[in-house]
Amino acid sequence: GQQLNQSPQSMFIQEGEDVSMNCTSSSIFNTWLWYKQDPGEGPVLLIALYKAGELTSNGRLTAQFGITRKDSFLNISASIPSDVGIYFCAGPKTSYDKVIFGPGTSLSVIP
Amino acid sequence: SQTIHQWPATLVQPVGSPLSLECTVEGTSNPNLYWYRQAAGRGLQLLFYSVGIGQISSEVPQNLSASRPQDRQFILSSKKLLLSDSGFYLCAWREMWGDEKLFFGSGTQLSVL
Repeated sequence: GQQLNQSPQSMFIQEGEDVSMNCTSSSIFNTWLWYKQDPGEGPVLLIALYKAGELTSNGRLTAQFGITRKDSFLNISASIPSDVGIYFCAGPKTSYDKVIFGPGTSLSVIP
Repeated sequence: SQTIHQWPATLVQPVGSPLSLECTVEGTSNPNLYWYRQAAGRGLQLLFYSVGIGQISSEVPQNLSASRPQDRQFILSSKKLLLSDSGFYLCAWREMWGDEKLFFGSGTQLSVL
């Protein structure tokens, strides 16, 4: 079945550095969703992507829908301490009703 | 605007006791509703989803069940909890005919002792 993989699994960066993470699948996705989860809270939607090659920004965050439709990338520029959390990619399975999630990338920012 | 409510926020239950977690959505009609479980702060596992009243699809065989008695109400239940049922449970919704954006509740941390 469809599965999503994310890398890296975890990151430790200095405040002010840029961050890059990605999400890959063995199957084509028509939509990519990126979420951030703070400890003990529900994930919050950051960016949604709908077209191959699409590049979308949300403040310091930029996400891209890969041309092959099997991957997506999330970049965070000039990281700050509040960027700490787990970042998930997600997308609907072929049946349209189900939305599956990658295992997440844990981000730690060192002040 | 749409809001999703999930309660309780935390729950400690003994093994073998029943469970009922409730989720309601406001400000929308005919939403798709979802229950996810998250273990150890990583990875969201889809447990159940519903496209309408009384329509429940189960993703994995387990000790849990779900029901949708009303359009905007989704309930997660168990008759007898197991230790392995501990985890962070998240309810989510999205528009049935809209895009695939999924919106989450604040979660319930369940500890089975």
